[in-house]
Amino acid sequence: DIQMTQSPSSLSASVGDRVTITCRASQSINTYLNWYQQKPGKAPNLLIYTASSLESGVPSRFSGSGSGTDFTLIISSLQPEDFATYYCQQSYATPYSFGQGTKLEIK
Amino acid sequence: EVQLLESGGGSVQSGGSLRLSCAASGFTFSSYAMTWVRQAPGKGLEWVSAITSSGSSTYYAYSVEGRFTISRDNSKNTLYLQMISLRAEDTAIYYCAKIWMSYMDVWGKGATVTVSS
Repeated sequence: DIQMTQSPSSLSASVGDRVTITCRASQSINTYLNWYQQKPGKAPNLLIYTASSLESGVPSRFSGSGSGTDFTLIISSLQPEDFATYYCQQSYATPYSFGQGTKLEIK
Repeated sequence: EVQLLESGGGSVQSGGSLRLSCAASGFTFSSYAMTWVRQAPGKGLEWVSAITSSGSSTYYAYSVEGRFTISRDNSKNTLYLQMISLRAEDTAIYYCAKIWMSYMDVWGKGATVTVSS
C-alpha cells in the first residue's frame, strides 16, 4: 500500500504570508496526487488535481507541483478564508490514501 | 447543479448493520466512478471504497473489506454502501464523492454513523 506523509501537521501563519505544505509518497505515484481543503463541519473541496492542475473556481494563489514521490502545495498570499485543513491524496492505485492533514491556523 | 446527498446514517450497536445511500443529480451518474470516504471524529480522511461507472468492479480499504459492500443503481442515480458487523472504529462521517479521471471532484455533505459498544 502507498503511504502518504504530509508536513507539517500544523502551521501558524498570518494573512499575506506565503505557505508551503509538502506531501511525500512511499513509492512513486507519477503525478497522481490531489490536494483538498476542508473547513470545520464541511466536506472536503478539491483544490489541485494531478499534482499541478488548478480546479475550476479555485483562486490562482493556490498552486501545486511535484512528481514521483515529492509534492508541494503553495499558497502565495494567505487570505482569511484559507485557514483550514489541507489533505493530499494519491490516486495512483487502490487503496487510495490520504495524508494525515495539515491544519493551517491564524498566527 | 451537480449535487450528491447522503442518507441512511444513524446510531447502531456494535455488530449491527446500516445502509448508506447517496443520491446524485445534475450529471450523468452512469458515466462516473464513485467512492466513499470517511472521517472519524477529530481525525483525518480515510478512503473506504470505490466502484466503476458500470458497477462491474469494486475496491475496498482493508479495514472494511468483507464487511462493507459498495453498489450502485444507475437507473436510480444512487450509490450505496451496505455496512455489516459494524465496530466502534467505524464511527465517522461518511462522504460520497464523484470521481472524474483520477480525482474526487464533487462531494456530498456527509452522513453520520455512530456505532456504540
